[in-house]
Amino acid sequence: GIQVEQSPPDLILQEGANSTLRCNFSDSVNNLQWFHKNPWGQLINLFYIPSGTKQNGRLSATTVATERYSLLYISSSQTTDSGVYFCAVATGNQFYFGTGTSLTVIP
Amino acid sequence: DGGITQSPKYLFRKEGQNVTLSCEQNLNHDAMYWYRQDPGQGLRLIYYSQIVNDFQKGDIAEGYSVSREKKESFPLTVTSAQKNPTAFYLCASSWGSGQPQHFGDGTRLSIL
Repeated sequence: GIQVEQSPPDLILQEGANSTLRCNFSDSVNNLQWFHKNPWGQLINLFYIPSGTKQNGRLSATTVATERYSLLYISSSQTTDSGVYFCAVATGNQFYFGTGTSLTVIP
Repeated sequence: DGGITQSPKYLFRKEGQNVTLSCEQNLNHDAMYWYRQDPGQGLRLIYYSQIVNDFQKGDIAEGYSVSREKKESFPLTVTSAQKNPTAFYLCASSWGSGQPQHFGDGTRLSIL
């Protein structure tokens, strides 16, 4: 299967700081999604971004499919951004998840 | 509101018993999926179904079984053959191959 590596594994930020999370994958994909698992265990779909750039409020994501990586940008972080951020890629029906970046935003 | 409902949120069972986790969606999606998450790991695919009455094994299907008799429902049975069933289980659905997946809130299964 496809290998998905996320970095950094852990991140601690002061409220208001910006951050960049990275996702590298080992093969061509036809889907890439970023998810946020909040402290209540809910997996929230942030972006569907197999290529290009998207923005949603303080979050934006860029996928460079030819170079097999995606970046998630969080600006002006808030304590509610805490949780685990997963990158998942798919080829056909098979989804492969990274191990996540655990983000803690402190006030 | 459209969405995916997993029940129950927490489930406890004795070792050696089979247990069935429920997943229902009203999004009219054709494809449904079951994932398992263990601490410090990403989600791993157990089974998926592209259409009613059809399903395929994922990476870690051993010890699990599924059925897809209705479009809206994709129950997962954790059998006594599953060696380490304690985990967080997530169900998802999508319009089809390569389409965005939408997730339920999960079921945390603990074997006593």
